[in-house]
Amino acid sequence: QKEVEQDPGPLSVPEGAIVSLNCTYSNSAFQYFMWYRQYSRKGPELLMYTYSSGNKEDGRFTAQVDKSSKYISLFIRDSQPSDSATYLCAMSAGSGAGSYQLTFGKGTKLSVIP
Amino acid sequence: NAGVMQNPRHLVRRRGQEARLRCSPMKGHSHVYWYRQLPEEGLKFMVYLQKENIIDESGMPKERFSAEFPKEGPSILRIQQVVRGDSAAYFCASSQGAGHTEAFFGQGTRLTVV
Repeated sequence: QKEVEQDPGPLSVPEGAIVSLNCTYSNSAFQYFMWYRQYSRKGPELLMYTYSSGNKEDGRFTAQVDKSSKYISLFIRDSQPSDSATYLCAMSAGSGAGSYQLTFGKGTKLSVIP
Repeated sequence: NAGVMQNPRHLVRRRGQEARLRCSPMKGHSHVYWYRQLPEEGLKFMVYLQKENIIDESGMPKERFSAEFPKEGPSILRIQQVVRGDSAAYFCASSQGAGHTEAFFGQGTRLTVV
């Protein structure tokens, strides 16, 4: 079992739809949960991060973490064609070994159709 | 304030040659992380450095790969005697303090070994 599982898609939605992206993980030491957006041939761009469990909202984006289920989600409301990109989840331990490194999912490729 | 600068953006090497990848962190950042993205794979942590120190190199292959972050100048990821399996995108990220919550990624160097 991989440490972080993420459905690679591709996921295609019409403009204005609500998008749900998800990751599951197996390492209970993970405390920081990040979502990155990566456009083709570019570097990852941090969208949001959450520490431990809970929800966090930033504009059209909402991140949720359920540590009991080892499941994290990113919701995008009112999706736009400019949201078309690959979305990467990433996690790290809060302290100790592995706290300085991120473990990434493979990424989900999203296309928002006008 | 310029972002994280990586060069070259594209690098072609023949099998057996050396590859040197450079990463200039953002101004004021003294923490650098290197990641490798193989085709169809997620980003994999390689090494974490602070100025003049390697803090965590648990993701670095034991042979042929080395990294440094001197007091002056960019961080360098060096791959000796490259093989076709080294073909990948190499990304670095930098941060002011330890941890990825305030880290920024560069655009990456795409290494092709022929």
